[in-house]
Amino acid sequence: EAGVTQFPSHSVIEKGQTVTLRCDPISGHDNLYWYRRVMGKEIKFLLHFVKESKQDESGMPNNRFLAERTGGTYSTLKVQPAELEDSGVYFCASSKQGVETQYFGPGTRLLVL
Amino acid sequence: AQSVTQLDSHVSVSEGTPVLLRCNYSSSYSPSLFWYVQHPNKGLQLLLKYTSAATLVKGINGFEAEFKKSETSFHLTKPSAHMSDAAEYFCALHMTGTASKLTFGTGTRLQVTL
Repeated sequence: EAGVTQFPSHSVIEKGQTVTLRCDPISGHDNLYWYRRVMGKEIKFLLHFVKESKQDESGMPNNRFLAERTGGTYSTLKVQPAELEDSGVYFCASSKQGVETQYFGPGTRLLVL
Repeated sequence: AQSVTQLDSHVSVSEGTPVLLRCNYSSSYSPSLFWYVQHPNKGLQLLLKYTSAATLVKGINGFEAEFKKSETSFHLTKPSAHMSDAAEYFCALHMTGTASKLTFGTGTRLQVTL
């Protein structure tokens, strides 16, 4: 069974540009989560999808961040326009309905210059 | 509100000696607790989890953790460190029985020396 995959693995962009991160969860996992780790800090929750619906988006920093999960499969996280403080590692995780354990992808390392 | 405190940002041990990574938590509800490990340039891998069953939990690669409610702790241990254990370790919690978000500690980087 394939794990959670994320694309790209790394992204370097300039302030003001747009970046789109993609996450493919484990097949059959209804729950999809986005987290972010800014350098030296803890991993922080961004949002949670159940299928295609946003269950909890309390961690989204501001309206420059837009997450979608069309069709309840893969998800995208768009940052527009990117700011310096958006740099960090963005993790995606997924879990089955009714199961607590979340399985994480390798992360996307975003650097905004 | 809930929080996780990992008491040491860095721990260094010699190969073959015991490992202790400390985690304390605060939660207004009955928590499930997790330890994840991240090796360089890799994703987070689940080591073990506590979900209100046995308080001593065994995980992969010889790691185990004990849930102590009276001390609000969930420390991670291993009897004998191996070079391949060098990585960053994260303690996390969420509300038992839910698919809610994880709250993480700041991580502990484990260094293993010869």
